[in-house]
Amino acid sequence: AQSVTQLGSHVSVSEGALVLLRCNYSSSVPPYLFWYVQYPNQGLQLLLKYTTGATLVKGINGFEAEFKKSETSFHLTKPSAHMSDAAEYFCAVSWLVGFQKLVFGTGTRLLVSP
Amino acid sequence: EAGVTQFPSHSVIEKGQTVTLRCDPISGHDNLYWYRRVMGKEIKFLLHFVKESKQDESGMPNNRFLAERTGGTYSTLKVQPAELEDSGVYFCASSQDTTDEQFFGPGTRLTVL
Repeated sequence: AQSVTQLGSHVSVSEGALVLLRCNYSSSVPPYLFWYVQYPNQGLQLLLKYTTGATLVKGINGFEAEFKKSETSFHLTKPSAHMSDAAEYFCAVSWLVGFQKLVFGTGTRLLVSP
Repeated sequence: EAGVTQFPSHSVIEKGQTVTLRCDPISGHDNLYWYRRVMGKEIKFLLHFVKESKQDESGMPNNRFLAERTGGTYSTLKVQPAELEDSGVYFCASSQDTTDEQFFGPGTRLTVL
């Protein structure tokens, strides 16, 4: 079955430090890849997406992710963490054309300390 | 423009009771999706409506779950009778087209005691 793995249910960083959230998916067939963020009491918000083209994708709030087909990975990074980045982050994949039927990872809660 | 809204935000019911969750998509969005997150696990796809038609209901766990989208506007998800394992957060999302971003609602937290 197609699946998405997020390594680490919790990641802690200091403000100003590099943020790295890992995501691997199960199939070597190039899918559509997404990162969503959920702030408390809010819905999921799309951070960035990869569909085709350039494998380094830039999103909102200074986040970016790189699609590496050979590693079946789509890790999320941000050079310098801010306190406002504290939230839960979800990697999602669609193996259908477009955004249909997203398959999510289990989520990673990012904790940012001053 | 109003986002996706869900009602109620929380629901606590006893095993065997019936609960109905409602989702109002963004106006004009033909596609409506339901997802569920059981505590500590991944968010799982339940089903996808295109207007009032069920496009894909492969994620519905069993026949205790009934989703409807009358008139292609709001949608309801009924659980009858509820079981303990139905507890979780139910998310609704909508998009204008299947190739467009899905916009998510804040979710309904369902607790079955």
